[in-house]
Amino acid sequence: NAGVTQTPKFQVLKTGQSMTLQCAQDMNHEYMSWYRQDPGMGLRLIHYSVGAGITDQGEVPNGYNVSRSTTEDFPLRLLSAAPSQTSVYFCASSPPGGDTQYFGPGTRLTVL
Amino acid sequence: AQSVTQLDSQVPVFEEAPVELRCNYSSSVSVYLFWYVQYPNQGLQLLLKYLSGSTLVESINGFEAEFNKSQTSFHLRKPSVHISDTAEYFCAVSGWGNEKLTFGTGTRLTIIP
Repeated sequence: NAGVTQTPKFQVLKTGQSMTLQCAQDMNHEYMSWYRQDPGMGLRLIHYSVGAGITDQGEVPNGYNVSRSTTEDFPLRLLSAAPSQTSVYFCASSPPGGDTQYFGPGTRLTVL
Repeated sequence: AQSVTQLDSQVPVFEEAPVELRCNYSSSVSVYLFWYVQYPNQGLQLLLKYLSGSTLVESINGFEAEFNKSQTSFHLRKPSVHISDTAEYFCAVSGWGNEKLTFGTGTRLTIIP
């Protein structure tokens, strides 16, 4: 199993550009989520999905879109990047019941 | 809704000394509790978890944490730290059977040789 994979590892954007962060898992987990990590703030939930076709907002959803067309993939879209979105982004997946979440290696995004 | 407080943002400890990283939580429902570790430039790994049963849980590398319901705490301890324990440690909480995790702000553990 590859577990949870994320691409790209690093990305630099200019203000106003759009991009998609990719996340995939091969563990057949129904639950997937996106977090952002900022210094001194821990990890904050952006969006999550409890299964294909179902998504919902987390704590900090503004400026981000998600969709879940398959169980394996959960991409995160930045519609118009802003410097405030400079962060490290982690994708995670979990089997039903929530007893363990598995994290990807992260994407470090810089918005200039 | 749940929240997690990690009061210590940084903890320096001499090698082979004991350490305690503090975590307090609040929740209106029964909870699962977790400690995740993030080594430099890596993602998060589960260190240990409390779901039910014995309130003392252990990891494979010598850490332990005790769930204290009356004090709403889940402090992480290790009797003797090593250089390789240098990392950031995150406490997290979720409601029973709920996959949504709420994280604390993290504690950076620095081991002094």
